[in-house]
Amino acid sequence: NAGVTQTPKFQVLKTGQSMTLQCAQDMNHEYMSWYRQDPGMGLRLIHYSVGAGITDQGEVPNGYNVSRSTTEDFPLRLLSAAPSQTSVYFCASSLTQGALYFGPGTRLTVT
Amino acid sequence: EDQVTQSPEALRLQEGESSSLNCSYTVSGLRGLFWYRQDPGKGPEFLFTLYSAGEEKEKERLKATLTKKESFLHITAPKPEDSATYLCAVLPPNRDDKIIFGKGTRLHILP
Repeated sequence: NAGVTQTPKFQVLKTGQSMTLQCAQDMNHEYMSWYRQDPGMGLRLIHYSVGAGITDQGEVPNGYNVSRSTTEDFPLRLLSAAPSQTSVYFCASSLTQGALYFGPGTRLTVT
Repeated sequence: EDQVTQSPEALRLQEGESSSLNCSYTVSGLRGLFWYRQDPGKGPEFLFTLYSAGEEKEKERLKATLTKKESFLHITAPKPEDSATYLCAVLPPNRDDKIIFGKGTRLHILP
């Protein structure tokens, strides 16, 4: 099993550009989530999904959209990138909202 | 507001020098407490889940314990490869509540 995969590993955007961070898991987990990790702030939940077709907001959802059309995939869309969205983004999955399995992360820089 | 506090923020130990990391929480009736290890540039890696006071889990040189208000991650005779950031997270009791992460302890083991 590949576990949780994320693409791209690195990305540089200009302010105002949009992009999609990809996340996929092959463990048949119902629960998937997106976090951002910033120095001194710890991991903060952006959006999550408890199953295909169901998504909800986390702690810091503004500026991000998600959809969940399949169990395996949970892409995160940045609508209009801002420098405040410079961060490391992690996707995670789990059977229930318990022990999370994280992907390797995407380092995003917005200039 | 539910909180998770980890201490110390950083810890430097000599190889073989045992110590403990602390995770204190204000959540009552939590559904689970989780420990993760995070290496630089990588996603957090799940280590343990603890569910009730008195419970202990072990893996190699690591042992996690849980009381009603805190958890300890004991590291016995650490090696340089144990150097990492260790994250603690709790799952509050209500079904709609999300996992709350602490900010982590950066552990550095000197050879």
